[in-house]
Amino acid sequence: QSVLTQPPSVSAAPGQKVTISCSGSSSNIGNNYVSWYQQFPGTAPKLLIYDNNKRPSGIPDRFSGSKSGTSATLGITGLQTGDEADYYCGTWDSSLSAGGVFGGGTKLTVL
Amino acid sequence: QVQLQESGPGLVKPSQTLSLTCTVSGGSISSGNYYWSWIRQHPGKGLEWIGYIYYSGRTYNNPSLESRITISVDTSKRQLSLKLNSVTAADTAVYYCARLYSKAGGWFYFDYWGQGTLVTVSS
Repeated sequence: QSVLTQPPSVSAAPGQKVTISCSGSSSNIGNNYVSWYQQFPGTAPKLLIYDNNKRPSGIPDRFSGSKSGTSATLGITGLQTGDEADYYCGTWDSSLSAGGVFGGGTKLTVL
Repeated sequence: QVQLQESGPGLVKPSQTLSLTCTVSGGSISSGNYYWSWIRQHPGKGLEWIGYIYYSGRTYNNPSLESRITISVDTSKRQLSLKLNSVTAADTAVYYCARLYSKAGGWFYFDYWGQGTLVTVSS
């Protein structure tokens, strides 16, 4: 059971837009910055978004992040078959059991 | 470009200690708001943060694993290490080391990751 809640899967057609939600609480998303990671099968996760909405160098602007209250959203526009991967949100949890926390991951299928 | 490489046994017997090393290249291991972290991923599952260490040796571990974890750093060798004792089959996972950016105010993200190493706990 992950601390952050993501939908197990989302799908959309090439060229379309998709959003992936990440729901938490005031002890994590509500008071800390959110990051997003992309993971292809058999490879390490890759930082996609940090500080809620910033993209590391080399990440195309088709990827965007936002946060509102205790939820965050990853948006991907102009979907490509190469975007098919697992996506994870992450942040710090400031509760009594403080630590880094992740969502359970969302499998993106580009139909 | 920071690069991280995990190494260690791929098979550990139950009740024994899992020991992994991560070698860092291409960047300073002793800089500002950067920490060094271990994360694991059970087969077919999501990511689990294990703990982090600052170059000074200050650590913070996942409370759920705290009693079994030791994370250390050797700045001269540019290596960090993970020891997880009393392992069971539930510790079978891919273990990643990663560079963590963190500072007071809620900044927390992993910007560079190693390729990961699969550790299987089995007799």
